Parts: sequence; structure tokens; C-alpha cells
Amino acid sequence: RKEVEQDPGPFNVPEGATVAFNCTYSNSASQSFFWYRQDCRKEPKLLMSVYSSGNEDGRFTAQLNRASQYISLLIRDSKLSDSATYLCVVNVWDSNSGYALNFGKGTSLLVTP
Amino acid sequence: EADIYQTPRYLVIGTGKKITLECSQTMGHDKMYWYQQDPGMELHLIHYSYGVNSTEKGDLSSESTVSRIRTEHFPLTLESARPSHTSQYLCASSDGSEQRGSPYSSTDTQYFGPGTRLTVL
Repeated sequence: RKEVEQDPGPFNVPEGATVAFNCTYSNSASQSFFWYRQDCRKEPKLLMSVYSSGNEDGRFTAQLNRASQYISLLIRDSKLSDSATYLCVVNVWDSNSGYALNFGKGTSLLVTP
Repeated sequence: EADIYQTPRYLVIGTGKKITLECSQTMGHDKMYWYQQDPGMELHLIHYSYGVNSTEKGDLSSESTVSRIRTEHFPLTLESARPSHTSQYLCASSDGSEQRGSPYSSTDTQYFGPGTRLTVL
């Protein structure tokens, strides 16, 4: 079982739509959570960090459900420029090896006119 | 905006050649990383460094080697490239605190370079 699982998509949505992605993680010792955005053939860039139950930044809302072990990313009023792959990243603590970042494969979003 | 650079951005090379992928950052970060990412797949950590003269192997076994002689510079070398090395290589740095024995701290944010797309024929 993968440490971090994401629906690969692609999610095709019209401009202005609201879209949500889920990410599930397997390790209950996960400490912190991140959403990164990766444009085609570009590097990942941090979109949001999620340290408590969730946070909001403009049109983007991230929520954390520790009981069910998933993180969600909600994008409201989608823009064409939101088209990208969204990576879920989970920071896990292990007493033997310390902290580790586990990356999901990403969810692809295509916003169409 | 992060200041981390990688050269070359694209490299097509024949089997058996020695190559060095350059990575430099101007943020003064002590921790630096190399990741490998294939299309549609997750990133895998192949090397990291806590600072000058520190190099450690990551989770994914790699035939590459790294060096860290200066804080800002973290090059990756393949002595003899093979088609199986074809991939995207991403360099990153972090201002997270050092946790010896662990590549990351509890609140690490990774600042990635633009990547090098390597194709070995």
C-alpha cells in the first residue's frame, strides 16, 4: 500500500467551477501536510501547508481529517491558470529514521474555458 | 520567489558518458536535496546534505554521487550514464532545522529548482 494516495485524474472542469481533491495517507504518525503545485515540465512549488484541521488562502482551502487520515484541497472559482498537477506531501515521523517526506503522484487538473 | 538554479535544463547523452548536473542556491540554506521523478510518478529522494562536507543517501538507491564543498553548490555526478538513468532530476533546498539521522525536520518546506531532464540513449 502506498504511503500517500491521490486520484490521478485528470479532473476536467469549466472555468468558475469548484473542484476538490482528496489525498489519503497510511501512516498515523504523520506530522504535517502540504499541497504543492507542479506545472507541466516544471518544478513543484508550495501551495499550502496544513498543520492543524485546515487553512484557507484565497480561493484555496485545505482540510485535514486525522481520524480518517485524509487531506483535501478545495479550489473555488477555478481559473485557467489553475491547470496543473497538485501533489500531496506528508511528513512522517519514525523513531528509527526520523522525519520523511512522502510524495503522492499528484492529481491533474485541467480548467477549460 | 526561491533562488535555486539547475543546469543544464535538458541533456541528451550517449551511454557510458560521465555527466554532472549542477545545482546552486542563493538563499544560504544548509540543507539540500536531489530527487528523481519519472512522468506521472512521485518524487523519490536520492541524496541529501545537512551542509558543507555532508552527503547522505536517500530512500531510492542511485548510482549517482554528490558533493557539497560550498554551501550554495550541490552537484550530482553520474560516472557512466545508462538508459535506465533517463529521468527528471530535481534539486531542492530547505531552511528547516537540522535533525541528524533524518533528512527533514518537522516543518520542512522544499524549494525546488527547475529540474534537469536527462535522456540517455
